[in-house]
Amino acid sequence: NAGVTQTPKFQVLKTGQSMTLQCAQDMNHNSMYWYRQDPGMGLRLIYYSASEGTTDKGEVPNGYNVSRLNKREFSLRLESAAPSQTSVYFCAGTLTSSYNEQFFGPGTRLTVL
Amino acid sequence: ILNVEQSPQSLHVQEGDSTNFTCSFPSSNFYALHWYRWETAKSPEALFVMTLNGDEKKKGRISATLNTKEGYSYLYIKGSQPEDSATYLCAFRAGNQFYFGTGTSLTVIP
Repeated sequence: NAGVTQTPKFQVLKTGQSMTLQCAQDMNHNSMYWYRQDPGMGLRLIYYSASEGTTDKGEVPNGYNVSRLNKREFSLRLESAAPSQTSVYFCAGTLTSSYNEQFFGPGTRLTVL
Repeated sequence: ILNVEQSPQSLHVQEGDSTNFTCSFPSSNFYALHWYRWETAKSPEALFVMTLNGDEKKKGRISATLNTKEGYSYLYIKGSQPEDSATYLCAFRAGNQFYFGTGTSLTVIP
């Protein structure tokens, strides 16, 4: 089992460019999450999906969109990247309504120039 | 947005020392409290999921306690080793959302 995978691992964008971060899991998670990690800020929730076909905003959703393509995949899109979106992005999954822990992907380091 | 606080922010201890850190969280609408270990350049890995007031969990030299009435959890490391050096995160689960603290960065000096 691959667990939770993310692509790409690194990306450099220019201001205004768009891109999609991909996340996939083979752990049968029904809930999936996108976080950003910034120095001194901890992990902050951008969007989450409690089940296939549903998405909800987290703490910092502005400038992002998400798509829960199927149970396995949850993508994060930056339509017009800004320098403030320079961060490390983590995808995670867990079982909804359970006491299971979240399993994290390896992260995507994004730099917006 | 729920406030989850961790203290201290960073800690340097000598190999063999025992240490502990604190996670404070809202005492209402408690569902679960998670502890994660996060090594540099890796992704967070789960240590414990704590659900009941008075819970005590242990994994090797690491243990944790939970007080949901007063809204805090302690993580203890007995006989710290250099390989324990990492950031330790706690996360308060409310419904389907997780609210993370900023972590305690532990450095164990050989």
